[in-house]
Amino acid sequence: DSGVTQTPKHLITATGQRVTLRCSPRSGDLSVYWYQQSLDQGLQFLIQYYNGEERAKGNILERFSAQQFPDLHSELNLSSLELGDSALYFCASSVVGQAGYNEQFFGPGTRLTVL
Amino acid sequence: AQSVTQLDSHVSVSEGTPVLLRCNYSSSYSPSLFWYVQHPNKGLQLLLKYTSAATLVKGINGFEAEFKKSETSFHLTKPSAHMSDAAEYFCVVSDRMGNFNKFYFGSGTKLNVKP
Repeated sequence: DSGVTQTPKHLITATGQRVTLRCSPRSGDLSVYWYQQSLDQGLQFLIQYYNGEERAKGNILERFSAQQFPDLHSELNLSSLELGDSALYFCASSVVGQAGYNEQFFGPGTRLTVL
Repeated sequence: AQSVTQLDSHVSVSEGTPVLLRCNYSSSYSPSLFWYVQHPNKGLQLLLKYTSAATLVKGINGFEAEFKKSETSFHLTKPSAHMSDAAEYFCVVSDRMGNFNKFYFGSGTKLNVKP
């Protein structure tokens, strides 16, 4: 158990809908990262937050948005869903600490299926 | 900018034979380097990490990796493959950006272990 939790584990919805994925980082981790993993695109970095502020953006579509709240949990919002958005969505957290203590810890993922 | 190249998208070995998964990186200074493993439909798990201590790093499940600065490589090895090693492996390099880290992923290597 990495200490990173993600809900829900599975989500099935229809095209055109909107969903929210939730991530709680490990206690004390200030950074949260979102990734999308699909069979055709592989693992893609979406966005990173640090202590409530956006710090880096990857291949995130305009239909997707995220935020990190004061209690450090994060939500990824996906709207106007398309079939191609079906994927595993991972959240990871990390903290900059002593030398060597800076790896990412991954949650179990949310599997999104768009029908 | 950092980048990571995993030289093989697929590697197939027989059970009991050595494993070599290759990773090269580009970095303007001494990076932190990681190997993660992902079993089917699971999250990513840290195998090992290099953070400027010993160049030969030992990880879980008998894996190890050697940091070679002159070759900008961080190849993952295991003396004897087990069926349970069949998974996808990601090489990752990180940048420390003040109070937070940025992570750069390789495209992954799928390891197949034949009986």
